[in-house]
Amino acid sequence: AQSVTQPDIHITVSEGASLELRCNYSYGATPYLFWYVQSPGQGLQLLLKYFSGDTLVQGIKGFEAEFKRSQSSFNLRKPSVHWSDAAEYFCAVGAGLAADSWGKLQFGAGTQVVVTP
Amino acid sequence: DGGITQSPKYLFRKEGQNVTLSCEQNLNHDAMYWYRQDPGQGLRLIYYSQIVNDFQKGDIAEGYSVSREKKESFPLTVTSAQKNPTAFYLCASSISTKNIQYFGAGTRLSVL
Repeated sequence: AQSVTQPDIHITVSEGASLELRCNYSYGATPYLFWYVQSPGQGLQLLLKYFSGDTLVQGIKGFEAEFKRSQSSFNLRKPSVHWSDAAEYFCAVGAGLAADSWGKLQFGAGTQVVVTP
Repeated sequence: DGGITQSPKYLFRKEGQNVTLSCEQNLNHDAMYWYRQDPGQGLRLIYYSQIVNDFQKGDIAEGYSVSREKKESFPLTVTSAQKNPTAFYLCASSISTKNIQYFGAGTRLSVL
């Protein structure tokens, strides 16, 4: 079964600075990888996804993520953070069409991002 | 507008009571999911359904029940057997392949 680790529970960043959120996964085959964002009291919004192909994927709101198979990582980055990026971010891994875990995602515990003026 | 609607937004349960959370989607998705979210624990899968009239237990199904009588609806019942029901509950749906799950706005359940 797949698993996900987000090492940073909480990150504080200044507005305009760059942001990188770490995500490490464990899975025996090529995973499907996702980053979601959650504002307080709201559902999750998909930022970006990786299924195959180019290992650098672009998402909404100026975010990008890079899949590194050798490091089992899928880190999320943004060059310049805006105050509206303050939220909780979740990395998730899916096993694709594996029969015993079809459609199921495993989520990390999340990283809370605080943006200071 | 297409999307996933969860209701109510807030729900209170008395001890010994069963409560039902509603989830409706008009995305024509085959698969639907229920997650429980607790602070610092991410999302944990309660139940999921790949197709109408079929559903599977997730990682924390004890104390919960579901039904899938219609493609667009996947209600979750929190039974009195669930001793710690206070949490934020999220419903999601996806097309049958590729795992992109879309989420509702959630229901916050508290115990009186």
